[in-house]
Amino acid sequence: EVQLLESGGGLVQPGGSLRLSCAASGFTFSSYAMSWVRQAPGKGLEWVSAISGSGSRTYYADSVKGRFTISRDNSKNTLYLQMNNLTAEDTAVYYCRVYDPTGAFDIWGQGTMVTVSS
Amino acid sequence: SYDLTQPPSVSVSPGQTASITCSGDKLGEKYASWYQQKPGQSPVLVIYQDSKRPSGIPERFSGSNSGNTATLTISGTQAVDEADYYCQAWDSSTVVFGGGTKLTVL
Repeated sequence: EVQLLESGGGLVQPGGSLRLSCAASGFTFSSYAMSWVRQAPGKGLEWVSAISGSGSRTYYADSVKGRFTISRDNSKNTLYLQMNNLTAEDTAVYYCRVYDPTGAFDIWGQGTMVTVSS
Repeated sequence: SYDLTQPPSVSVSPGQTASITCSGDKLGEKYASWYQQKPGQSPVLVIYQDSKRPSGIPERFSGSNSGNTATLTISGTQAVDEADYYCQAWDSSTVVFGGGTKLTVL
């Protein structure tokens, strides 16, 4: 069974940093691209970032470019999102997601809440 | 940037057909996916590559995509289908989501 378990969320002050992790199991981690998607309270889904299976290619939404860094450790089957210079607009549930190019394999984690507030 | 537009809400009676649209420039030239999200839960893929259903998704869910509009159709809508639905498409190497549609079954 495919499982994605996010962690690292919490309360952080504006301007602060946080690193999210996503532990994956049930599939060959290094073979799949991964991404982060967030959802602000009561709002819709917003794609944040993606990374190729090897980690050599990364992509970012304009809203986080230059502040967030996606990475992965294929030896640990873990995806990361380093978030710096956080603002209130970054408050959201952050979902880890695995998918394949066909779109048929598309699984989401349960999410981790990030709250940016003083 | 590329935008996808969905109606904020759609209502349907049990047993009837619900249609949720997703509009974007030349969307028919891209693949559209659809996700169902119930309160407090993570999104679940219900349609990919415009019209394909993942295993475990009921046959009453179907999709189409042509021109500027993708459509999710739920035939014989059941109370359990009440949820938020999001369309998604790839634009270059990034992902775009529609704003979401709340489906009410009343």
